[in-house]
Amino acid sequence: QVQLQESGPGLVKPSETLSLTCTVSGGSMSGYYWSWIRQPPGKELEWIGYIYYSGSTNYNPSLKSRVTISVDTSKNQFSLKVNSVTAADTAVYYCARLERDFHTGSYSLADWGQGTLVTVSS
Amino acid sequence: DIQMTQSPSSLSASVGDRVTITCRASQSITNYLNWYQQKPGKAPKILIYAASSLQSGVPSRFSGSGSGTDFTLTISGLQPEDFSIYYCQQNYKIPWTFGQGTKVEIK
Repeated sequence: QVQLQESGPGLVKPSETLSLTCTVSGGSMSGYYWSWIRQPPGKELEWIGYIYYSGSTNYNPSLKSRVTISVDTSKNQFSLKVNSVTAADTAVYYCARLERDFHTGSYSLADWGQGTLVTVSS
Repeated sequence: DIQMTQSPSSLSASVGDRVTITCRASQSITNYLNWYQQKPGKAPKILIYAASSLQSGVPSRFSGSGSGTDFTLTISGLQPEDFSIYYCQQNYKIPWTFGQGTKVEIK
């Protein structure tokens, strides 16, 4: 079972860029999809997007214009950038590894980081 | 977007009870449905994937069923460590979406 750890600033000013990194340990990134999910305080989970280890991505359309997910397999890391943040982007941000069920083709968020709180405030 | 609606939003139960949580999708998602457990201040943990498959290491008192638009998570014999929030999530269509959560509290 891999371990994931989010890192990055806990406070970002409005209109600036939120940048987070997820470091993967205990396994290779090859062959897997990697995802970002966020959870505003006291609210439900929101899927942000995912990236394949080779670099192909898929994003939530509601965030697509502001979000970039990238991967650096040499460092066993993948990253999230959210541009032009507002208070609505305040949330705990989680990174996760996707697992594919080969019988059905269904994906699940199998391993998660502990999460990191990012507050957007001046 | 596919809307996922869970019911109830919260419930009170006793240790040993059988608990059932329902998740309804706004359109058919075949069996592309997962269930997660989240404890306060912790990341969610996968319990059930593909509607009815038990994740390795998860106790057998957890089970999932359903297909199409209606799904159920059942806990047979509630244990003290099961008092948490439970979320369903569809991965049938982008954007993947979660239910609003069901909080299971101690009666």
